[in-house]
Amino acid sequence: LAKTTQPISMDSYEGQEVNITCSHNNIATNDYITWYQQFPSQGPRFIIQGYKTKVTNEVASLFIPADRKSSTLSLPRVSLSDTAVYYCLVGDMWDNDMRFGAGTRLTVKP
Amino acid sequence: DVKVTQSSRYLVKRTGEKVFLECVQDMDHENMFWYRQDPGLGLRLIYFSYDVKMKEKGDIPEGYSVSREKKERFSLILESASTNQTSMYLCASVISGSYEQYFGPGTRLTVT
Repeated sequence: LAKTTQPISMDSYEGQEVNITCSHNNIATNDYITWYQQFPSQGPRFIIQGYKTKVTNEVASLFIPADRKSSTLSLPRVSLSDTAVYYCLVGDMWDNDMRFGAGTRLTVKP
Repeated sequence: DVKVTQSSRYLVKRTGEKVFLECVQDMDHENMFWYRQDPGLGLRLIYFSYDVKMKEKGDIPEGYSVSREKKERFSLILESASTNQTSMYLCASVISGSYEQYFGPGTRLTVT
């Protein structure tokens, strides 16, 4: 099982770019990196997934260096509504080898 | 839009009671999961199912069982509820080959 380490919390201001880094030193060849967002009283929601290099969608980017020992979720121009807990998952779900970490609580201030 | 529903948002049960938590998804997903979420621990996998009548233990199956008689429904059973099972329970489903899990809103269970 790939162990992940994320900051417990982060603060930002509206309009800023936020980067949340996840460390996963023992990532395996078949492991993917997935990020979820969770608001209070809701289940987590999928944000983005990647294997290597850079992935971008309409809400975020995911940067994965060549050694894949870390990854960075980038949220452009955050707003107050981006205040949430963000989870990094690393593993191979289809081999029952993927676990949620403790998450990063992002607070966006006006 | 994928919808995952859970039978209750809040539930209060007494120690020793048998508790049933129901989860239903409407997108014909083969795979379903039960997690519990506790402060500082993130989500921990209890059980998952890759197909009807099929189940696999996750990290913390002790004190729980599951049932999947139909593709759309995955039930979590607490055989004899204990206070340390007070938690938020989350159900998720995903189509085979994808990492995009769809979660229900959760059931906050309190065992007194």
